[in-house]
Amino acid sequence: AQSVAQPEDQVNVAEGNPLTVKCTYSVSGNPYLFWYVQYPNRGLQFLLKYITGDNLVKGSYGFEAEFNKSQTSFHLKKPSALVSDSALYFCAVRESGPDKLIFGTGTRLQVFP
Amino acid sequence: KAGVTQTPRYLIKTRGQQVTLSCSPISGHRSVSWYQQTPGQGLQFLFEYFSETQRNKGNFPGRFSGRQFSNSRSEMNVSTLELGDSALYLCASSSQTSGGDTQYFGPGTRLTVL
Repeated sequence: AQSVAQPEDQVNVAEGNPLTVKCTYSVSGNPYLFWYVQYPNRGLQFLLKYITGDNLVKGSYGFEAEFNKSQTSFHLKKPSALVSDSALYFCAVRESGPDKLIFGTGTRLQVFP
Repeated sequence: KAGVTQTPRYLIKTRGQQVTLSCSPISGHRSVSWYQQTPGQGLQFLFEYFSETQRNKGNFPGRFSGRQFSNSRSEMNVSTLELGDSALYLCASSSQTSGGDTQYFGPGTRLTVL
């Protein structure tokens, strides 16, 4: 069965510093990997995805993610954090066949001014 | 293009009642998926519909059901509500033209069961 793990419940970073939110995955075939962000009392907003091709994927709001097949990781990164980036971040893997996402447990990002 | 819309945004029900939630996908999207989000269990897949057919179902009791209409709009129903059904219910749509299609989520319906 496919799964994703987000080992950190919370990540704290100072504004202007780089941030990394970690995600590792387990799939039986080629992975489709996604990152979503959730602000309080809102749905999930799509940030970026990896399907195939370049290991570095660029997404919305200056976020990017690096796909590493040997380490089965798909970490979310941003060179310079903003206070407005504070939110809950979810990594997800798409299961083959019907349209079903398997989500990690989420990582709360707190950016301090 | 308008995003995914869900109605109502908030619901308060009592145990034993039933509830129907509605989801309108992005125009042209034929796949609609439903997820339940709770603090304890996180985001869990409920079911997915494509062209009015349920293609996949998560590990939820039969009290949870859904359907999709010919215009791709979808509803989910929960009967005999329990306290544990209190959650944010999220709907997502995708075009499903390839395996890497993105699911776009609505704002959710917050269900509180008293």
